Amino acid sequence: GAVVSQHPSWVICKSGTSVKIECRSLDFQATTMFWYRQFPKQSLMLMATSNEGSKATYEQGVEKDKFLINHASLTLSTLTVTSAHPEDSSFYICSARGQFGQYFGPGTRLTVT
Amino acid sequence: AQKITQTQPGMFVQEKEAVTLDCTYDTSDPSYGLFWYKQPSSGEMIFLIYQGSYDQQNATEGRYSLNFQKARKSANLVISASQLGDSAMYFCAMRERTNNAGNMLTFGGGTRLMVKP
Repeated sequence: GAVVSQHPSWVICKSGTSVKIECRSLDFQATTMFWYRQFPKQSLMLMATSNEGSKATYEQGVEKDKFLINHASLTLSTLTVTSAHPEDSSFYICSARGQFGQYFGPGTRLTVT
Repeated sequence: AQKITQTQPGMFVQEKEAVTLDCTYDTSDPSYGLFWYKQPSSGEMIFLIYQGSYDQQNATEGRYSLNFQKARKSANLVISASQLGDSAMYFCAMRERTNNAGNMLTFGGGTRLMVKP
């Protein structure tokens, strides 16, 4: 149990385009989901916390207009990287909080050319 | 100040030997939880072990054990009988109870473990 999926697992896009990443809790309801970003050889950095039905809380330094987060249901949160630039290339990991713990998705590798 | 510190950026261990990965933390919250995650090259985060601040005994999960020294604020991960598949990044993380409405995890910088055959 407690499986979190992410889609897509990897994506390449051109600079200036937008990319949407989906995070789903497959077998449990997640009132809270987290989005992390990880640059090569670095730790995970929390970008934002989203609660179902309310606006996401962004960490300092994360542009909310650039990284749009929607948590429309208890099993789905989406992260949209708007007007992507090469410096947005990173590994994005979502995490969902269930009753018994916090579970991570497999991650999405974004490359912006 | 960093809340979670992993002082070993990289470590080698011989296959079948035990290895300890260090983690120290900083919190004034009396209620907190400590986690260890493994991240192989594929990128997925794999939960290994959990220790609650009020747990009396050190957590163990198979070949993983957590050496919890509360007074020293350390939560070292011990991997016994290392296997080649243990080669990965390992992250220590903490979740504090108060001032943390979202119950978010704070991660250390990670330790890259390489198991030699």
